[in-house]
Amino acid sequence: GAGVSQSPSNKVTEKGKDVELRCDPISGHTALYWYRQSLGQGLEFLIYFQGNSAPDKSGLPSDRFSAERTGGSVSTLTIQRTQQEDSAVYLCASSPTTLNTGELFFGEGSRLTVL
Amino acid sequence: AQSVTQPDIHITVSEGASLELRCNYSYGATPYLFWYVQSPGQGLQLLLKYFSGDTLVQGIKGFEAEFKRSQSSFNLRKPSVHWSDAAEYFCAVGATGNTPLVFGKGTRLSVIA
Repeated sequence: GAGVSQSPSNKVTEKGKDVELRCDPISGHTALYWYRQSLGQGLEFLIYFQGNSAPDKSGLPSDRFSAERTGGSVSTLTIQRTQQEDSAVYLCASSPTTLNTGELFFGEGSRLTVL
Repeated sequence: AQSVTQPDIHITVSEGASLELRCNYSYGATPYLFWYVQSPGQGLQLLLKYFSGDTLVQGIKGFEAEFKRSQSSFNLRKPSVHWSDAAEYFCAVGATGNTPLVFGKGTRLSVIA
């Protein structure tokens, strides 16, 4: 596609349920990032994939969060046993090169509401 | 560790007035610096970036930013604000190697007639 595509755009779930958020990066982009945007908190880095290298998971807030990237393209962020504090907008970005030489291209985000 | 501070949470300016959004960073070496804009309900869009060279960089939509190493700052400016500039603005810093961008908490810009 022309840009980074994320789905669903909105997700409402009950506390304790699992959710999956999907990101389809720009074709050919080797780097993929997940960020979380909470009200008044800016963007919080979650996880980073670069090609076939092991992902940088240093930003994941707990072991309830995980992500995978299949075939070097589509990525899924999974949150298990959701909590109310997980409510946020989850942003995915991709980049054609390693981070420090290029810009990030962001999707419009998936808004998660945990009741 | 890198960090970014945007001291102003919310700024209101009149249409046609000049604008300066502040950004201070913390990083030991020469940073890579970015400004992104997020319009309501949309993803982030890159306004401009600084890697090296001329410390005054020009971006899209008439924005510019100046890198001042002595002040650890990368302030965003625009000489005349338009109503369509109302949005959230994020400053970010990157480093060499495969480290993710670190973002500030953002400054929300409101534009009044």
